[in-house]
Amino acid sequence: ETGVTQSPTHLIKTRGQQVTLRCSSQSGHNTVSWYQQALGQGPQFIFQYYREEENGRGNFPPRFSGLQFPNYSSELNVNALELDDSALYLCASHLAGFTDTQYFGPGTRLTVL
Amino acid sequence: AQSVTQLDSQVPVFEEAPVELRCNYSSSVSVYLFWYVQYPNQGLQLLLKYLSGSTLVESINGFEAEFNKSQTSFHLRKPSVHISDTAEYFCAVSWNSGYSTLTFGKGTMLLVSP
Repeated sequence: ETGVTQSPTHLIKTRGQQVTLRCSSQSGHNTVSWYQQALGQGPQFIFQYYREEENGRGNFPPRFSGLQFPNYSSELNVNALELDDSALYLCASHLAGFTDTQYFGPGTRLTVL
Repeated sequence: AQSVTQLDSQVPVFEEAPVELRCNYSSSVSVYLFWYVQYPNQGLQLLLKYLSGSTLVESINGFEAEFNKSQTSFHLRKPSVHISDTAEYFCAVSWNSGYSTLTFGKGTMLLVSP
């Protein structure tokens, strides 16, 4: 067990709404990365936060935004939801090095109707 | 840009048979290689990783992977699988890009039957 938790487990939203997903970090980790895993696909990198600042971003539009708090927990916010946003959202807690293991939470399953 | 190809979306095998899950990557820079496993309704767990040194890396539960630079491959093998190995397996790469991110393949579902 990694100690990384995510909430909620599942949620259902309608197109155009906004959603906030939450992630707790593992003790001692200062970096959080968020990934989107569409059905039948591998996880795709959304963005990363290091010491409360966005440190890198994948190919996702600005309506995907995030926060990292002083205790290194994190939020992912998605505005103006689209049907294609339906996916499993994973957060990973880790240190900032390129070789450091990323520890994943169980994910939040988002369904957009 | 770096990319990862997992050639098989699904691999069915019988219990106690050997298995190989294939992974090839494309990169213009040196990469670090990872295999993650995802059990149903769970997040990803690291199985093993190659950073440098010996090209053969092993996990604690009997899996091994060999880094082959000339063939740009990092195939995962196990000599004898168990029912409990049924899961989705993801190959991933990271590199010195300014920040640490993983690029994943599409995954291979390993289905072990009795």
